[in-house]
Amino acid sequence: AQSVAQPEDQVNVAEGNPLTVKCTYSVSGNPYLFWYVQYPNRGLQFLLKYITGDNLVKGSYGFEAEFNKSQTSFHLKKPSALVSDSALYFCAVRRDSSASKIIFGSGTRLSIRP
Amino acid sequence: AAGVIQSPRHLIKEKRETATLKCYPIPRHDTVYWYQQGPGQDPQFLISFYEKMQSDKGSIPDRFSAQQFSDYHSELNMSSLELGDSALYFCASSLGQEILAKNIQYFGAGTRLSVL
Repeated sequence: AQSVAQPEDQVNVAEGNPLTVKCTYSVSGNPYLFWYVQYPNRGLQFLLKYITGDNLVKGSYGFEAEFNKSQTSFHLKKPSALVSDSALYFCAVRRDSSASKIIFGSGTRLSIRP
Repeated sequence: AAGVIQSPRHLIKEKRETATLKCYPIPRHDTVYWYQQGPGQDPQFLISFYEKMQSDKGSIPDRFSAQQFSDYHSELNMSSLELGDSALYFCASSLGQEILAKNIQYFGAGTRLSVL
């Protein structure tokens, strides 16, 4: 069975500092990995995905994520945090042979203080 | 660009009532997915459709049913509502089946269902 773990419920970072939101996955076969962001009372917005190729994936709003197969991790990063980055972030995985569903992690609330 | 449209945005029902949630996918998207997100929970997959046929099924209660219509919009029908059905219900859409797992699922803003 596939699963995703986000070990931190909350991450607090000062504006301008780098941020990291952690994610580890467990899946048989090749994983397709995603990050989504959810703002209050809003839907899930796609940030970036890893399918194959370069381990460093760049996405929306200056975010990037690094795929590490040996550590089965897909941490989300940003060099310089903005207050507007404060939101709920979900890591997600699909198997390469999976027909449909995305399995989400439990979410990490990112709080950026001015 | 057009996004996934869900209606209604908010819905209040009483126990044992029925509810119908609607989802209009991004134009040309042929696959829709339904997810349920309880308070403080991560989204849980319910069911999906590709070309009007059910393509996958998750933790959807027997009291719920869904279908995709010829114009690709989808409806989630919920009967005998229970207090525990109170949640945010998301619809997502994507394009194409041939490289399905690589396709990005784009989410709507959700329907917040409150069962009293």
